[in-house]
Amino acid sequence: GQQLNQSPQSMFIQEGEDVSMNCTSSSIFNTWLWYKQDPGEGPVLLIALYKAGELTSNGRLTAQFGITRKDSFLNISASIPSDVGIYFCAGSTGANSKLTFGKGITLSVRP
Amino acid sequence: GAVVSQHPSRVICKSGTSVKIECRSLDFQATTMFWYRQFPKQSLMLMATSNEGSKATYEQGVEKDKFLINHASLTLSTLTVTSAHPEDSSFYICSASYTSGGAYTQYFGPGTRLTVL
Repeated sequence: GQQLNQSPQSMFIQEGEDVSMNCTSSSIFNTWLWYKQDPGEGPVLLIALYKAGELTSNGRLTAQFGITRKDSFLNISASIPSDVGIYFCAGSTGANSKLTFGKGITLSVRP
Repeated sequence: GAVVSQHPSRVICKSGTSVKIECRSLDFQATTMFWYRQFPKQSLMLMATSNEGSKATYEQGVEKDKFLINHASLTLSTLTVTSAHPEDSSFYICSASYTSGGAYTQYFGPGTRLTVL
């Protein structure tokens, strides 16, 4: 099935740095979601986006819903060690529909 | 709010036995729940969509007689892995659909680690 494009697979940054992750699709979505997954845990919702062009923040996290509705980015500012984990983007076409996921980006933060 | 639980969190069973995993939406009602499995260092793979009061919809390649899904109420869906074999060992995660004011999202449970010996 379709999968969203997330790359690179891994990112390594220094504590305190900002990092940006992109997610692209060949088709349009009405909702973009960003999740973080820690080892052995389920994904935790970070930010949900519902309108093209929407820019939403959650603490040090900022995400945007692309104008074309085919992409989204997540920005983490002033990274800290607990930001380590796998970040997934997901798209939805409507209520109760299944999500289409990216492969995820594994973020490592060097102290 | 919007909490999803799974039980058990970890299960070890012998080959040939059946294992039931529960997924509950604790503080909201979910007409639709989803079941995923995840292999190490991979993304989530959707297995089936569970609809309250009706039959589940399985993704291509997922055996419905092997992975039985029951969504008996608006807060509970169960996944039963029948006659489990070592290749069924995996991390199983459920999610519940949540809609508020027209905004839709999914909240995930903490996952269940199944090990079949």
